[in-house]
Amino acid sequence: TQLLEQSPQFLSIQEGENLTVYCNSSSVFSSLQWYRQEPGEGPVLLVTVVTGGEVKKLKRLTFQFGDARKDSSLHITAAQPGDTGLYLCAGAKRGGGADGLTFGKGTHLIIQP
Amino acid sequence: IAGITQAPTSQILAAGRRMTLRCTQDMRHNAMYWYRQDLGLGLRLIHYSNTAGTTGKGEVPDGYSVSRANTDDFPLTLASAVPSQTSVYFCASSEVGTSFYADEQFFGPGTRLTVL
Repeated sequence: TQLLEQSPQFLSIQEGENLTVYCNSSSVFSSLQWYRQEPGEGPVLLVTVVTGGEVKKLKRLTFQFGDARKDSSLHITAAQPGDTGLYLCAGAKRGGGADGLTFGKGTHLIIQP
Repeated sequence: IAGITQAPTSQILAAGRRMTLRCTQDMRHNAMYWYRQDLGLGLRLIHYSNTAGTTGKGEVPDGYSVSRANTDDFPLTLASAVPSQTSVYFCASSEVGTSFYADEQFFGPGTRLTVL
């Protein structure tokens, strides 16, 4: 059973546009993570959000954790072709994620020059 | 720095055959994980291990077994492969402490398995 719903599943936009990817759940998570995956490689961590309402910024990427710790969003400003990839949100029910992560199905993002 | 290595890179296997996917990490992480990734279904947890000598079942454990004899190795075995086990398999590790939030998981490059 997938507990994390990501939307949109696919997104293709022009370079310079802004976009937002959503990750929603009916369950509360101790933390949410965002990973990025390139073709033929494993996912790589972008950020971990922990506190309800938390906002973290990585250059042009802004991550937000919902107040109730059930949802998160990833906003990219002025998207570039290098942002192309599969973006995955992942939640940990238990502290530390010791019993593994629950992943969303992912958002396939294509930024066209 | 190797991080996590997986072998083989890819494999085509006849249904009914036994297969072991290998995973080795050199970061001395205490926790290790196996996920499968399928188009339209995302990454799903198969088995995990918090420390050497212990293992646990994830979301989709049926048809798979694991062992954790030491810190570095976490092999995944398919006792009798079936076509529905065709997938890309990722091994991951993390240094799980006592923090409230999830620690970063480091992923291997994956094994692409096709069962005919």
